[in-house]
Amino acid sequence: AQSVTQLGSHVSVSEGALVLLRCNYSSSVPPYLFWYVQYPNQGLQLLLKYTSAATLVKGINGFEAEFKKSETSFHLTKPSAHMSDAAEYFCAVSETGGFKTIFGAGTRLFVKA
Amino acid sequence: DGGITQSPKYLFRKEGQNVTLSCEQNLNHDAMYWYRQDPGQGLRLIYYSQIVNDFQKGDIAEGYSVSREKKESFPLTVTSAQKNPTAFYLCASSTSRDINQPQHFGDGTRLSIL
Repeated sequence: AQSVTQLGSHVSVSEGALVLLRCNYSSSVPPYLFWYVQYPNQGLQLLLKYTSAATLVKGINGFEAEFKKSETSFHLTKPSAHMSDAAEYFCAVSETGGFKTIFGAGTRLFVKA
Repeated sequence: DGGITQSPKYLFRKEGQNVTLSCEQNLNHDAMYWYRQDPGQGLRLIYYSQIVNDFQKGDIAEGYSVSREKKESFPLTVTSAQKNPTAFYLCASSTSRDINQPQHFGDGTRLSIL
């Protein structure tokens, strides 16, 4: 069965520091992987998606993620955090041939001035 | 602009009452979904529909019901059988033709008990 594990329910960084949000997945077939961002009292917005075309995926707002099959990981990074990056981030996986997407529990990012 | 509209943004339910959450999309998507979000638990799938007049239970369907009479609309009813309905409810849609396409979300409805 598919599953997604996000390591760390809360991550705190200083403004200008590297952002690293961790995601590991479990899937029996090549997965489609996504990162979404959620601001307070809003729905989720797509940051980026992996669909096997390239292992390093660039998204919006300066975020990128690298697919590592050997580690079953899809960690999200941003070189320099901005105050506006404070939000909750969700990693998600969907399998080929299925219409369901499994979401991780989310990681809340705090950015300190 | 195309998108998903959820209404109302805030909803209050009395004991023993059924309430219905609205979800409308103009993205021409075939598939629609309802999720429940509780703090620290991520998103849990309540119901999903891949086509008009057809829907399937998700992981936590008990106490909820849906209908899909039109492609654009996928209302969710929270029945009195749902004993802990206080949560943030998110509706989403996606094209079912391309499985690698992401889901598009509405801005949610926050349901509370009076």
